Amino acid sequence: IAGITQAPTSQILAAGRRMTLRCTQDMRHNAMYWYRQDLGLGLRLIHYSNTAGTTGKGEVPDGYSVSRANTDDFPLTLASAVPSQTSVYFCASSTGLAGGNTGELFFGEGSRLTVL
Amino acid sequence: GQQVMQIPQYQHVQEGEDFTTYCNSSTTLSNIQWYKQRPGGHPVFLIQLVKSGEVKKQKRLTFQFGEAKKNSSLHITATQTTDVGTYFCAGPRRGSTLGRLYFGRGTQLTVWP
Repeated sequence: IAGITQAPTSQILAAGRRMTLRCTQDMRHNAMYWYRQDLGLGLRLIHYSNTAGTTGKGEVPDGYSVSRANTDDFPLTLASAVPSQTSVYFCASSTGLAGGNTGELFFGEGSRLTVL
Repeated sequence: GQQVMQIPQYQHVQEGEDFTTYCNSSTTLSNIQWYKQRPGGHPVFLIQLVKSGEVKKQKRLTFQFGEAKKNSSLHITATQTTDVGTYFCAGPRRGSTLGRLYFGRGTQLTVWP
């Protein structure tokens, strides 16, 4: 089934550990994004990538890193997890249009991360 | 801070009543998108508005983009239990390059049967 696949679905992690959330899309979309969702705060952009080989910082990038080695994959890494990074993480992709128009975002099912 | 402010945060209605959520920005938006997220689910795209004063309808849902392109609204006529969920607006930061789409905090809609 075409779309976005995130892994793991959920994870409990000890503080200080390194964690990579995986995201793969098979729609050949240029743009990909990582958001975190916390109760009452909506969706906040962590990092984004307009095209393979480029990445950019969103609203809340601290403590996170991303890479975009190819079109399909956009992993999010927490180098040393802290409890404040407990959240639901959503990966998304879009065709990415000109003039600041992202186009429709397609979201994955989310990864629920708990840092103890 | 948030690029777009969304109100109300919560709305509880009885089935059959109307519902409206509002999205406001301090700066002009080139476009605005609306998403719906069902409880336990992921956001799903509803619509994008681009033109000043634009109005679009999807069955019982009416979307508006303000003349100044600083505000938007989503109105649901005669709500149904299937409308339950959180509705988000999202817009690009002014002058931003492609990729920076920022979401409001959402309006959580509860519908009583």
